[in-house]
Amino acid sequence: GAVVSQHPSRVICKSGTSVKIECRSLDFQATTMFWYRQFPKQSLMLMATSNEGSKATYEQGVEKDKFLINHASLTLSTLTVTSAHPEDSSFYICSAREPGLAGGQSRETQYFGPGTRLLVL
Amino acid sequence: GENVEQHPSTLSVQEGDSAVIKCTYSDSASNYFPWYKQELGKGPQLIIDIRSNVGEKKDQRIAVTLNKTAKHFSLHITETQPEDSAVYFCAASPSGGSYIPTFGRGTSLIVHP
Repeated sequence: GAVVSQHPSRVICKSGTSVKIECRSLDFQATTMFWYRQFPKQSLMLMATSNEGSKATYEQGVEKDKFLINHASLTLSTLTVTSAHPEDSSFYICSAREPGLAGGQSRETQYFGPGTRLLVL
Repeated sequence: GENVEQHPSTLSVQEGDSAVIKCTYSDSASNYFPWYKQELGKGPQLIIDIRSNVGEKKDQRIAVTLNKTAKHFSLHITETQPEDSAVYFCAASPSGGSYIPTFGRGTSLIVHP
């Protein structure tokens, strides 16, 4: 299957600072990437859909000014948590979808990165 | 929107036994159903998926069955091993659009040696 990487794997920062998380598709070009947040022992919560070359689509309740998403290339999307606070501490996971097939058929399978553990002190 | 229910939330089995996790969905437009395995501290890993034109799919010790009429699908793991211990998530995804899946709440599978 396709490989998605994330960096860093874990980060500890002080309250008020900004943190950038990178998501890369290593062996394919991803026109669409997704950012999820996961609390302990809970399911995945979709934060936003990142589209290459255009603005991200945020889910209801997710502050777009706090969680800045940039998808500048077909292999890289970044999530920046601005002015982080302790309540932003969580496990952030990105995923990427393989490009569509010939003939315009899209592919549904998402491949997830290993996740980034953020701890805000 | 889509609603996916997953049961059980916790499943404890002895090594060598079979494990079954069940999911139901509400939107008849969903036609893609992946299963993910998530180990502690890691991202979810796709282990098997099924599309609505197929009723069953098998990959070694893992199989998935789909009943579109009843809107439920199940994951079957045979001959379980301790390394199968993880959280398993089912998901349902509609055709067309952005294919954003709706995930179940997860099942924590514990395989005792």
